[in-house]
Amino acid sequence: DGGITQSPKYLFRKEGQNVTLSCEQNLNHDAMYWYRQDPGQGLRLIYYSQIVNDFQKGDIAEGYSVSREKKESFPLTVTSAQKNPTAFYLCASSPRGFNEQFFGPGTRLTVL
Amino acid sequence: QQQVKQSPQSLIVQKGGISIINCAYENTAFDYFPWYQQFPGKGPALLIAIRPDVSEKKEGRFTISFNKSAKQFSLHIMDSQPGDSATYFCAASGEGGYQKVTFGTGTKLQVIP
Repeated sequence: DGGITQSPKYLFRKEGQNVTLSCEQNLNHDAMYWYRQDPGQGLRLIYYSQIVNDFQKGDIAEGYSVSREKKESFPLTVTSAQKNPTAFYLCASSPRGFNEQFFGPGTRLTVL
Repeated sequence: QQQVKQSPQSLIVQKGGISIINCAYENTAFDYFPWYQQFPGKGPALLIAIRPDVSEKKEGRFTISFNKSAKQFSLHIMDSQPGDSATYFCAASGEGGYQKVTFGTGTKLQVIP
């Protein structure tokens, strides 16, 4: 089965701790994205990557970091610098030259 | 100029009725307009998309109407069913290569029996 997997589905973290969200795809897509979803605010782009070892900041990158060491993987680290990290995080991918984005099932992060 | 404004925020429709969700954009460089459907606790999935060279696109019960001069587009769901209850996002992007996708704020649709 081809698709995007995100783990874990639910994540709890204490204030002041860094946490890493996993995103893996076996669709052979070049581009990968991280979005944050909050009620009433739609999807906001955190980071995106078009190729391995390259990534760019989106609209709300402060307090987040990413890496793209493999084409299949694009992990997101939520650092302690992110002031309001409780949210639903979505990873997506798209093939080169196409606009359609394929989303994973999401990770709900709660900061206690 | 990058915004996509979506309305209404929530919508309740009787089974068999027509659901209508509207979006407006400002950036005239946008030329790809998708709609995504999201069920609770899941990621969004592409429902239907349109490019500005056509004014309407229909797939089953779902239709996009596009008005280029007004910079508006809308999703119509005919014969709405309880299984259509979900959150719908409109979006817009440019064409070709990597293009940032700008999403609307979402419409939560509830179809009641």
